[in-house]
Amino acid sequence: EAGVTQSPTHLIKTRGQQATLRCSPISGHTSVYWYQQALGLGLQFLLWYDEGEERNRGNFPPRFSGRQFPNYSSELNVNALELEDSALYLCASSLEGTDSDTQYFGPGTRLTVL
Amino acid sequence: AQSVTQLDSQVPVFEEAPVELRCNYSSSVSVYLFWYVQYPNQGLQLLLKYLSGSTLVKGINGFEAEFNKSQTSFHLRKPSVHISDTAEYFCAVTSNTGKLIFGQGTTLQVKP
Repeated sequence: EAGVTQSPTHLIKTRGQQATLRCSPISGHTSVYWYQQALGLGLQFLLWYDEGEERNRGNFPPRFSGRQFPNYSSELNVNALELEDSALYLCASSLEGTDSDTQYFGPGTRLTVL
Repeated sequence: AQSVTQLDSQVPVFEEAPVELRCNYSSSVSVYLFWYVQYPNQGLQLLLKYLSGSTLVKGINGFEAEFNKSQTSFHLRKPSVHISDTAEYFCAVTSNTGKLIFGQGTTLQVKP
C-alpha cells in the first residue's frame, strides 16, 4: 500500500513569490494535515482538511492557505513568501480525523526562500 | 491547552546500551500519546501510540513506552540500541482539535 506522497521534493523560490505544495493521502484516508518544521521552531500545525472542508488551522497568517480536492489530495499555498517560510513542510493523512486516529506522514517538501 | 516537553535535546549512547527518552505532557483532558522517529532528510514514522488500556505500549524496532498518568509522562525506552537507531525522536499528544502537538524533539546519537 502506497504511503503519503508529496511533491515536489524540493522547491526554491524568491521572496515575494508564491509556492504550491501538493500531497496525496493514503488510499481511503479522508483527513489531511499540514505541518511546518522550521529550524529552531520545531513541528507546528498548519492546517487540517477533512472531507473537503478546512476543520482547523494553526497560528499562521492568512497567506498560508490550502484546499482539499474531491479525491482527498491536498494543496498548500504560501503567498508573498518571506525568508522565514524556509522549512520542511510535512503532510500527514489519517483515516477518520478523530483524536485517536494515527497520522501517517509523507517525506516532506523542502521549501527554500531566497 | 495541551503541551509536550521532551526533557533532553540530545542523548548520546553507546551501541547495545539501553536508552530512555523522556517525555512529559500537560493536559486537562484525556489524551492520546504518540512517539514518532525522523531519520535524516525524511518524514516522520510512527513508533508507537497509547490510546487506552495497558500502560506499557510496544512499538516497532524494539521500542516501548510507558504511560504514567500520575506523573504525566510517556517515556520511550529500548533495552539495546543499534547504530541505525540514530535519529530524532518526537513525542506528541493530540488535542481535541485534530492536530498533533509535538515536543521539541530528542536527537539520539548512537556511538560504536
